[in-house]
Amino acid sequence: EVQLVESGGGLVQPGGSLRLSCAASGFTFSSYWMSWVRQAPGKGLEWVANIKQDGSEKYYVDSVKGRFTISRDNAKNSLYLQMNSLRAEDTAVYYCARDLYGSLGHWGQGTLVTVSS
Amino acid sequence: DIQMTQSPSSLSASVGDRVTITCQASQDISNYLNWYQQKPGKAPKLLIYDASNLETGVPSRFSGSGSGTDFTFTISSLQPEDIATYYCQQYDNLLRTFGQGTRLEIK
Repeated sequence: EVQLVESGGGLVQPGGSLRLSCAASGFTFSSYWMSWVRQAPGKGLEWVANIKQDGSEKYYVDSVKGRFTISRDNAKNSLYLQMNSLRAEDTAVYYCARDLYGSLGHWGQGTLVTVSS
Repeated sequence: DIQMTQSPSSLSASVGDRVTITCQASQDISNYLNWYQQKPGKAPKLLIYDASNLETGVPSRFSGSGSGTDFTFTISSLQPEDIATYYCQQYDNLLRTFGQGTRLEIK
């Protein structure tokens, strides 16, 4: 059974940093693109970033470019999102998802990031 | 960047009704379009991929159609458990974009 479990969320001050993790199991992690998607409270879904199987290609939504970095460790079956220079508008539930040719067929339960002073 | 315009933003219908949601892309995306269902407090669930293909295990009352810039998502006979928010999502390039979502309620 495919499982994705996010962790690392919490309360952080504006301008601060946070690193999210996503632990994958039940599939060959190194064979799949992976994505991060976020959802601000009461709002819709926003795709944030994705990363190729070997980490050689990474893409970001414009609003996080230069502040967020997606990475992965295939030996540890783990996906990461390093978030720097956090803003109030980054407050959201962050989901990791398995990305198969653009279709996000498996999602984690999400981790809440709150940016507030 | 490709923008997705989804309508309506909310919809109220009765059990047994046929429900239709539309999604328009800002440029031709061929059939690179998915539909998701999200219930409150839960992660989204993939229902339709490649515009018209039903994900395994999804009831056949759900369907999708369209290509190019205009897409349609249909529930043939609304059931109480279909109350949720529905999103379209494009994947024409290596970026992904979601529509704004359609909140579906029971009348």
